[in-house]
Amino acid sequence: SQQGEEDPQALSIQEGENATMNCSYKTSINNLQWYRQNSGRGLVHLILIRSNEREKHSGRLRVTLDTSKKSSSLLITASRAADTASYFCATDLNQAGTALIFGKGTTLSVSS
Amino acid sequence: EAQVTQNPRYLITVTGKKLTVTCSQNMNHEYMSWYRQDPGLGLRQIYYSMNVEVTDKGDVPEGYKVSRKEKRNFPLILESPSPNQTSLYFCASRVGGLGHKLFFGSGTQLSVL
Repeated sequence: SQQGEEDPQALSIQEGENATMNCSYKTSINNLQWYRQNSGRGLVHLILIRSNEREKHSGRLRVTLDTSKKSSSLLITASRAADTASYFCATDLNQAGTALIFGKGTTLSVSS
Repeated sequence: EAQVTQNPRYLITVTGKKLTVTCSQNMNHEYMSWYRQDPGLGLRQIYYSMNVEVTDKGDVPEGYKVSRKEKRNFPLILESPSPNQTSLYFCASRVGGLGHKLFFGSGTQLSVL
């Protein structure tokens, strides 16, 4: 069961540029989370935005949420080579909290 | 340091030879879960546990078993591995309920020959 879908699938930019990734989901949500995965490693939580929030910041990360469009975006400003990774959005499957459902991710490559 | 520890990191085995992937967390989390990650298919949940002695199936439970006898441990058991179980496996944990982030282990790359 897939809830979120990221777009684009892959993104290549130069250091210093901004990177924007989008996530669309299907059903109503309580919150939406973004995770990062370096090649073959475990996912690391980046940021959580609740359904009653429209925007949230954490360092160089900015996340927006539009519940009317069932979409979220992750903006990484002033990208660095170290930001090269896959980025996933995730939402809770149900109100019981039995599963976090992940999209297939956006692979970001930042070249120096 | 708060962490989820998975072992082994890499495992190569043969069809039918029972194996266990261990998972342990030191954060006193109620919820634990196993995922597998495959190219083009993303992360899919195998099993989850809401607390000790409470486990349930996720999206792809066939061929797997789990147990939750202690709060910190959540091993994944493949009683008779098959090549289609070759995958990257992740254990994860979090505080129970909605609105909490998942903490992931480093992953186990399993190859079944």
